[in-house]
Amino acid sequence: EDQVTQSPEALRLQEGESSSLNCSYTVSGLRGLFWYRQDPGKGPEFLFTLYSAGEEKEKERLKATLTKKESFLHITAPKPEDSATYLCAVPFEAGGTSYGKLTFGQGTILTVHP
Amino acid sequence: NAGVTQTPKFQVLKTGQSMTLQCAQDMNHNSMYWYRQDPGMGLRLIYYSASEGTTDKGEVPNGYNVSRLNKREFSLRLESAAPSQTSVYFCASSEGPWGNYEQYFGPGTRLTVT
Repeated sequence: EDQVTQSPEALRLQEGESSSLNCSYTVSGLRGLFWYRQDPGKGPEFLFTLYSAGEEKEKERLKATLTKKESFLHITAPKPEDSATYLCAVPFEAGGTSYGKLTFGQGTILTVHP
Repeated sequence: NAGVTQTPKFQVLKTGQSMTLQCAQDMNHNSMYWYRQDPGMGLRLIYYSASEGTTDKGEVPNGYNVSRLNKREFSLRLESAAPSQTSVYFCASSEGPWGNYEQYFGPGTRLTVT
């Protein structure tokens, strides 16, 4: 069964204190891994797609990396406006095709204090 | 370009009442999805539509029906609401039905069933 596990569940940082969020997955034949940001009371906002081990993508203070079993979301010198829940997701495998059905992790709640 | 829109934003129903949640996208996407998000359960797929004219069940379809009205619109109907359907409902869309296409989410509908 496809599983996606995120850690930690919650992370509190001081402004400027860099850290990483983890997303581990058990999927045969990974077809992509997605990172989303979700602010309270809003829908998830797409951040990155990673397709193969070794791939990296960056956006402002965020950098996502991918290995064969996990992905990291590195946050460099975070600011209070980076506070949000960060979700990762992988396509669900069914009969060899994924049909875009995503399995989401539980998310990491990031709080950045000024 | 509004992206994915959902109506209503909030709704309170009594047990046994019915209602339809509306979703529309203006990105010319082929695939659309309905999710529910509950504390501790994460995002779970209710139904999806890989392309206009097709619909299929996701992880938690019981108690729901869907209609892909046209390429832009995908509605979710609760025929006889139950307290267990209290949740936040998100509609999403993607360019294609396969897992390598990122999904874009609407702002959500917060539903309470008493």
